[in-house]
Amino acid sequence: QKEVEQDPGPLSVPEGAIVSLNCTYSNSAFQYFMWYRQYSRKGPELLMYTYSSGNKEDGRFTAQVDKSSKYISLFIRDSQPSDSATYLCAMSLSGSARQLTFGSGTQLTVLP
Amino acid sequence: DSGVTQTPKHLITATGQRVTLRCSPRSGDLSVYWYQQSLDQGLQFLIQYYNGEERAKGNILERFSAQQFPDLHSELNLSSLELGDSALYFCASSVAGEEGKLFFGSGTQLSVL
Repeated sequence: QKEVEQDPGPLSVPEGAIVSLNCTYSNSAFQYFMWYRQYSRKGPELLMYTYSSGNKEDGRFTAQVDKSSKYISLFIRDSQPSDSATYLCAMSLSGSARQLTFGSGTQLTVLP
Repeated sequence: DSGVTQTPKHLITATGQRVTLRCSPRSGDLSVYWYQQSLDQGLQFLIQYYNGEERAKGNILERFSAQQFPDLHSELNLSSLELGDSALYFCASSVAGEEGKLFFGSGTQLSVL
């Protein structure tokens, strides 16, 4: 079993839809939770960064962390064709060696 | 543009060969990370350097090595290449104290034939 499991997709939605992307994890020591967006043939770029449990909102994006359930989510409101990309969840342990553990990614297509 | 520069963008080589991938981090960033991305394994952490010293090691094969130079650029050396080493190799840098906030380069696509 992988440490981080991510819904594989692919996911296709119409423009304007609300998108929900999810990851579960097994290591309760994870403290930092991130979402990265990766366009085709590009490097991942950081979208959201949260520490411990709770919600964080940034424009059309909302990240949720539920440490009791070991479950994190990314919601995209009013989705746009430009949101079409692969979304990777990532998480890391507290401490100095903070290499990230990434999910396998969900490929999202927003249809105009 | 993340500010992280990777060269070359594409590399085609044969099994058994050795290649060097180069990375320049964002100005001011002391940490450099190397990741490998393949279809079956996803994004895998290889190694981290901080200000010239190895800081953390992940799933890096013994055939692979890296270093970070005084000007903070880093090189990833891959030797005795196998078909399975074909992948996208990313370099990333981060600000001290915010290691989760990685800035990735555009990657080097390595094809081993």
